[in-house]
Amino acid sequence: QKEVEQNSGPLSVPEGAIASLNCTYSDRGSQSFFWYRQYSGKSPELIMSIYSNGDKEDGRFTAQLNKASQYVSLLIRDSQPSDSATYLCAVYGGATNKLIFGTGTLLAVQP
Amino acid sequence: KAGVTQTPRYLIKTRGQQVTLSCSPISGHRSVSWYQQTPGQGLQFLFEYFSETQRNKGNFPGRFSGRQFSNSRSEMNVSTLELGDSALYLCASSPNREDYGYTFGSGTRLTVV
Repeated sequence: QKEVEQNSGPLSVPEGAIASLNCTYSDRGSQSFFWYRQYSGKSPELIMSIYSNGDKEDGRFTAQLNKASQYVSLLIRDSQPSDSATYLCAVYGGATNKLIFGTGTLLAVQP
Repeated sequence: KAGVTQTPRYLIKTRGQQVTLSCSPISGHRSVSWYQQTPGQGLQFLFEYFSETQRNKGNFPGRFSGRQFSNSRSEMNVSTLELGDSALYLCASSPNREDYGYTFGSGTRLTVV
């Protein structure tokens, strides 16, 4: 079982729709959760962090964390073509004490 | 404010050679981590350094090594290069050891031929 799992996609949504990206993790002791965005040919960029159960909103982005289900999600409202990128889920803590990345979900927003 | 600077940006090496990659973190950032990114495996953790001490190491062979200097700059070294070492090597920094909201550098693209 992978430590951090994401559906590789591509996830295709029309412009203006809500994009929902999901991530599960295996280590129940994990403490910190992050979403990074990576455009093709570029390095990852931090867009959201979340540390406690519930929702955290920042502009068009909402991160959701459910530690009981070991599940993290990212919602992107009013998706724009410029949101087209690979979204990486990263999890820290637990037994490894490392920041572990999922392999990412490719999001394509269709104009 | 300057970002995380990695040099060189591109590198072509021959199998069996050795390579050293450099990373200068954001000013004031004391934690530096290194990742290898390949299309098949994604981002794989290599090392984490804080105040010149290696805090953690990933599951890579001993050919991969690193260090951090007193000014927080870091280097990683790969000896006896193999074709499979071809990858994008990313350095990331954060202000302190408990902050994992990393800022990544642009990476060094290593090609082993």
